[in-house]
Amino acid sequence: DTEVTQTPKHLVMGMTNKKSLKCEQHMGHRAMYWYKQKAKKPPELMFVYSYEKLSINESVPSRFSPECPNSSLLNLHLHALQPEDSALYLCASSQADGRQLGEKLFFGSGTQLSVL
Amino acid sequence: AQSVAQPEDQVKVAEGNPLTVKCTYSVSGNPYLFWYVQYPNRGLQFLLKYITGDNLVKGSYGFEAEFNKSQTSFHLKKPSALVSDSALYFCAVPRGGATNKLIFGTGTLLAVQP
Repeated sequence: DTEVTQTPKHLVMGMTNKKSLKCEQHMGHRAMYWYKQKAKKPPELMFVYSYEKLSINESVPSRFSPECPNSSLLNLHLHALQPEDSALYLCASSQADGRQLGEKLFFGSGTQLSVL
Repeated sequence: AQSVAQPEDQVKVAEGNPLTVKCTYSVSGNPYLFWYVQYPNRGLQFLLKYITGDNLVKGSYGFEAEFNKSQTSFHLKKPSALVSDSALYFCAVPRGGATNKLIFGTGTLLAVQP
């Protein structure tokens, strides 16, 4: 299994809603990532978990709350989002702890989020 | 600071013709360079990477990239383009040498016309 699976594929939510994005990998990878991508733009790093611990938070607003319940799962909890948060949210994983040079990232297909 | 630049927003090529997607880099120390591809409505997929060694790197789906130190370039190439190669291509470099801070270029949209 060389896949990173993300659910749901599409999500529409209001600004007062609470929702969660889910990411799963069964490759035994030790680092997992959340990226945000606007249309036709490069992905922007949001969070990195290394060995189930948050290692990087790229100054992301607190309305985005990541969680890593175990080594295979990564969640992104959303609350009180703004319309400008509408984007494709990508999950990725890498084999080692994310600090090894030359590691490649395995990406999921993403969750297309629309905030109304 | 580590960075990459993709000077072309879009590249158009006819099917069967060779294609080149350009990337230039600015790094301190030895460069580690990557190419990723994003098909419509999908996540990114790793194509190839340069760490050290041969300047010509071979990757997935028949793609290759040429590392040129004097021109600080890492152009992606394919001898014969397919319509199915139409996608968004990103060059990337680790920020500070760590993969967990991968910096992507602005992307180049490749359109292969039948």
